[in-house]
Amino acid sequence: GENVEQHPSTLSVQEGDSAVIKCTYSDSASNYFPWYKQELGKRPQLIIDIRSNVGEKKDQRIAVTLNKTAKHFSLHITETQPEDSAVYFCAASARTGNQFYFGTGTSLTVIP
Amino acid sequence: GAVVSQHPSWVICKSGTSVKIECRSLDFQATTMFWYRQFPKQSLMLMATSNEGSKATYEQGVEKDKFLINHASLTLSTLTVTSAHPEDSSFYICSATNRGKSGYTFGSGTRLTVV
Repeated sequence: GENVEQHPSTLSVQEGDSAVIKCTYSDSASNYFPWYKQELGKRPQLIIDIRSNVGEKKDQRIAVTLNKTAKHFSLHITETQPEDSAVYFCAASARTGNQFYFGTGTSLTVIP
Repeated sequence: GAVVSQHPSWVICKSGTSVKIECRSLDFQATTMFWYRQFPKQSLMLMATSNEGSKATYEQGVEKDKFLINHASLTLSTLTVTSAHPEDSSFYICSATNRGKSGYTFGSGTRLTVV
């Protein structure tokens, strides 16, 4: 099955700085890569996703890049704010409606 | 938007008893339901995948006789933790796919504590 690795496991940045989280995957059939934000004890919330036919996608302060050849994708958060502090998970799926597998998570702390 | 209601949000049970967790899709047909388990400060681990009207597919290492999954309708899936033990204490969360649409909708999760 799919193996998704995520780095770093923890990340602290000063408010206003950028944060980058990286993930790699093993299954070349994976073609859907969502990113989730999870606050303690709550459900994951989808913040952005990208499909394999796109190399980059941006939504305001959040962007995701995908390199299918290298099998890695990254989340970029610019102008970080304290409310961005949470655990972020990447995931990979082989097709829409199929199960996907989460990365190990990154605990992001934005220091005011 | 798509909503999945999960109940209970938390439950405490005695060791050896069984606990049922329900996930209902309120405004869409959940053709597939995924069940995850999350231990503190860890990632969400896929336990099983269930399609409406068929048996669930369990991930390697997940005991199908211990974690009973039923997906009898397009709006309801249940996970029953049988003969619960303290090591089953975890955060259980479901996720559903919407027929004909992409993406997943997560339930709100269930915090299970076995004492």
